[in-house]
Amino acid sequence: LAKTTQPISMDSYEGQEVNITCSHNNIATNDYITWYQQFPSQGPRFIIQGYKTKVTNEVASLFIPADRKSSTLSLPRVSLSDTAVYYCLVGDEGLTGGGNKLTFGTGTQLKVEL
Amino acid sequence: SQTIHQWPATLVQPVGSPLSLECTVEGTSNPNLYWYRQAAGRGLQLLFYSVGIGQISSEVPQNLSASRPQDRQFILSSKKLLLSDSGFYLCAWSEQGVPSVYEQYFGPGTRLTVT
Repeated sequence: LAKTTQPISMDSYEGQEVNITCSHNNIATNDYITWYQQFPSQGPRFIIQGYKTKVTNEVASLFIPADRKSSTLSLPRVSLSDTAVYYCLVGDEGLTGGGNKLTFGTGTQLKVEL
Repeated sequence: SQTIHQWPATLVQPVGSPLSLECTVEGTSNPNLYWYRQAAGRGLQLLFYSVGIGQISSEVPQNLSASRPQDRQFILSSKKLLLSDSGFYLCAWSEQGVPSVYEQYFGPGTRLTVT
């Protein structure tokens, strides 16, 4: 099981770029790295996923170094509405009866202020 | 497009009463389905997952059970609720196969309070 470590909280201001780094030293060869966003009283929302190098979509970028032992979620020009909990997950094989699952930790609480 | 529904949105139940939460998915076929629980201030805990009709796997021993009577319907049940069953229950779906299985889409959730 590849455990992830990320900061408990981060603060930023509107318009700034926010980078949240996640450590996953024991990532396995077949593991993908996935990030989710969760607002209070809502289910998590998929943001981005990657295996190596850089992935970019309309919401964020994900940077993964060659050793894949960490990853960085980059949110460009954050706004107040980006205040949420961000989860870094590394997929693992280990479901009872086979299959793959996500293991959610406590995530990083990002607070964006004016 | 795909849509996931959960109901009810909130529920207050006494200890020892039964529970039934329902989740349905539209716009996809043969999805993986998941039940999670999130206690206050905690991360999500996977309770059950299903890869097909009638195929249920439990990740955590507990007094809850799950069923999948139809391809896009997932039900979470309990015969007798405990105080510790309180929490935010989330249903999710994904396509099958890697890496799609890690891209999960969550429903709006059910806030359960056991009194």
